[in-house]
Order: sequence, then C-alpha cells, then structure tokens
Amino acid sequence: GENVEQHPSTLSVQEGDSAVIKCTYSDSASNYFPWYKQELGKRPQLIIDIRSNVGEKKDQRIAVTLNKTAKHFSLHITETQPEDSAVYFCAASSGPYGNKLVFGAGTILRVKS
Amino acid sequence: EAGVAQSPRYKIIEKRQSVAFWCNPISGHATLYWYQQILGQGPKLLIQFQNNGVVDDSQLPKDRFSAERLKGVDSTLKIQPAKLEDSAVYLCASSPLSSGRARETQYFGPGTRLLVL
Repeated sequence: GENVEQHPSTLSVQEGDSAVIKCTYSDSASNYFPWYKQELGKRPQLIIDIRSNVGEKKDQRIAVTLNKTAKHFSLHITETQPEDSAVYFCAASSGPYGNKLVFGAGTILRVKS
Repeated sequence: EAGVAQSPRYKIIEKRQSVAFWCNPISGHATLYWYQQILGQGPKLLIQFQNNGVVDDSQLPKDRFSAERLKGVDSTLKIQPAKLEDSAVYLCASSPLSSGRARETQYFGPGTRLLVL
C-alpha cells in the first residue's frame, strides 16, 4: 500500500523567513496531494492541494510543488508569521479507486518572532 | 455552512469498557470517513462510507471496532472492548463527491479525544 514519509519532523524558523516541508510517496498511482494545517487541539484544515497534472500551485504565501517522476512533493511557506506555527500534514491519495488519503507523520513548525 | 460535528469531545474510560462516538457530516456530503490520530502521528483511515455503504474498512480492527452510517447521514463508531492503545483522537471527515474519490476536499470535525486507562 501507499507509504508517505514527511521531513523534517520539527522545523523552527525566524519570522519572515521561508519554511519548506518535504514528502515522498510510494504509490505511483497517487494523483492527489493535499496539505493540512492542524493547530493545537483543533481540527486539520486544508491549506492547499495539488493534482498530478500540475507541477506547481501557489496561493499567496503558500506554494506546493510536485515531482511525479521522483515521487515527492513539497510545501513552501514564504514570509512566515507567528500564526503559521502549527503541525502540517501532507497526504497522498491511495487505494484501488484513489478514494482514500494516506497521511505523513506531520511537521511541527515553530515561527519565532 | 455548518461544519462536521462530533460528540463527545472528550472521553475517559477504563480498558475493556465500551465507547461510542458520533459524527454528523456537512449537509449533503455523501462520503464520510473515520480516522484515528495517535499522538505525534498523522491521521490513519479506519473506515470510509459512501452514502450508507462501506467503501473501505481495510484498516478497521474489526474484532473490536465497528461503525455504521444509517440513512446515509450520521455515523457512529464503537469500540468494544477498549484497549490502552486505542487512546487517540478520533476524527470524522466528510466530502461532497458521491463517487468517493479522494480528490475532493475532506472537511474534518473537531475530533473526540479518547483516553483509555
């Protein structure tokens, strides 16, 4: 089955700097890759997603890149702010119908002001 | 629009006891998911419903876990009997696409935090 690995497990950056989180996946049939942000004690919330027919997608300070050949995708946050501090999860679609998500273990991002 | 609702928010039980969680998805969402999130890990899918039918329950420990979605709306997840390793947050999510494909956004509920002593 699908396996998603996420790195780093923790990331500390200075406010205003950029943060990059990387994920690799194993199932070449995966074609949907969302990123979720989870603040302490709260529900995961989708922040951006990318489908396999696109190599890059950007939404204000957040961007995601996908390399299907290498089977990895990355989240880029520019001009980080303290409110970006949270746990970030990547996920990849899986299953015979691509109908389920397999999540990475998460990255704790701390933005120091 | 109202989000995914879950109850209770917290539950503490002793091992070997039973517990049930309830989820009300976003109105009109055909697909409902139950995830288990152990501390420090990403959510792991337990079961997926499309309307009131099971699409995927390959990772549901069926000897102790059960779930149902009557009338294709609300869902309950039950653990009987509970073990210490069941301590986790149980997240319910829903998505609008009736085909059940994961391409559509999954909206998560606030979760139920279970502690088994």
